[in-house]
Amino acid sequence: SQQGEEDPQALSIQEGENATMNCSYKTSINNLQWYRQNSGRGLVHLILIRSNEREKHSGRLRVTLDTSKKSSSLLITASRAADTASYFCATVVNTGFQKLVFGTGTRLLVSP
Amino acid sequence: DTEVTQTPKHLVMGMTNKKSLKCEQHMGHRAMYWYKQKAKKPPELMFVYSYEKLSINESVPSRFSPECPNSSLLNLHLHALQPEDSALYLCASSQGSGTPGNTIYFGEGSWLTVV
Repeated sequence: SQQGEEDPQALSIQEGENATMNCSYKTSINNLQWYRQNSGRGLVHLILIRSNEREKHSGRLRVTLDTSKKSSSLLITASRAADTASYFCATVVNTGFQKLVFGTGTRLLVSP
Repeated sequence: DTEVTQTPKHLVMGMTNKKSLKCEQHMGHRAMYWYKQKAKKPPELMFVYSYEKLSINESVPSRFSPECPNSSLLNLHLHALQPEDSALYLCASSQGSGTPGNTIYFGEGSWLTVV
């Protein structure tokens, strides 16, 4: 089952520009996590934001969470070609055991 | 770099073969997961093990058989697979599965092709 929808599905920008990806989800969550996946590789955890937090920063990453709108955004500032990857939001649905459910993902292409 | 190690990285198997995917972590995590990811799709949860016991089975066909021999190892036994089972299989681990808020760490995945 799929919890989140992300938009845009694909984003193409130049190096140095900012990239914003949005995630919407359906059910109540405990926390929301963002992951990056380079083509054909595993998932790299980027940042976790809890349901009682509104904003979190990590280096060039800024994540916001609006639980009233059931949405989150990931902002990558001053993008680099190495940021080219797919980005997924994932929500934790607590069914007694932690279950991470991924959104549809955004494919980001950063051109030099 | 991930501390969840998966082998093999690539596996090609026939529909009558029996093979296994292996996953290992040495972070002291007590929860381990198998996810399946088809091309250009998000990962989908298959199994969750918590303290070496199967906690969640997302209605996965019995041709996929998970095994957790100890807290560091997780196997996925494959038998009589179909071509549509070809995908990237991702293993993951976290400190615990019953406590929300634990970061889940993923391995690099095993690419499976069923011919």
